[in-house]
Amino acid sequence: EPEVTQTPSHQVTQMGQEVILRCVPISNHLYFYWYRQILGQKVEFLVSFYNNEISEKSEIFDDQFSVERPDGSNFTLKIRSTKLEDSAMYFCASSEAPAGGIGRNEQFFGPGTRLTVL
Amino acid sequence: AQSVTQLGSHVSVSEGALVLLRCNYSSSVPPYLFWYVQYPNQGLQLLLKYTTGATLVKGINGFEAEFKKSETSFHLTKPSAHMSDAAEYFCAVILPNTGNQFYFGTGTSLTVIP
Repeated sequence: EPEVTQTPSHQVTQMGQEVILRCVPISNHLYFYWYRQILGQKVEFLVSFYNNEISEKSEIFDDQFSVERPDGSNFTLKIRSTKLEDSAMYFCASSEAPAGGIGRNEQFFGPGTRLTVL
Repeated sequence: AQSVTQLGSHVSVSEGALVLLRCNYSSSVPPYLFWYVQYPNQGLQLLLKYTTGATLVKGINGFEAEFKKSETSFHLTKPSAHMSDAAEYFCAVILPNTGNQFYFGTGTSLTVIP
C-alpha cells in the first residue's frame, strides 16, 4: 500500500541552524501539506502546496519557513534559523484532491520527523 | 476561526467495554469532519470521515461516528474495545470549499485495560 515517508525520523540541531525536513508524498497525489505538533499540544496546520506554489499557509508559517518540491518526488520544509520553540513533531501529508473538496480528499500522513532544537 | 474540542485528554476503558471519544466543533457552517488515529511512532491514519449524506459513518477497525448538527458534535464510538485500540485519537474539521486547512483537536489518548 502506498504511503507517505519522511526523513529523518529525528533531527537534533542547534538554535540558529538551518534544517530541511524531507517528505516523499504518495506518487499520484497533487496536494501536499505540512503540520506540526508541539509536545502535548494539538496538531497545527502550517502550509499547503499545489501546482508548485503555496496555496494556503497559517500564521505560524512565517518568513523562517519555506517549502519546495525540488523534483518529482520530494517535498521539503526548510526552517532557516531554528528557534527553541520550533521543537516539535513535523508531519507531512498528501492528498489526491484538495482537503476542502469532496471525493478523494483524504490526507495521508507520514510518520513524522521529531525536531529538537537545543 | 474554527475550533475543535475533544473532551478528555485521557480515556481508559476495559477490554470489551464501549469506547466513546467526544468531539465538538464550532462553526456556523457544517464542516467536513474526520477522526484520525495515531499509533506510537507512526503517522496519522484516517479512521473515518463525514462530508455529506448519512450522518452515521462507519470506519475501519469497528469504529463509527455520528454527525449531530444540533449538538455540533462528531463523537467516535466502538461497541467493544480491543487492546489494539490503544492509541491517540484526533478529531479534525475543515470547512468545505474554503481551502485546505485542517483544524485538529488536542487529541485523546485511549488506554485499554485488560
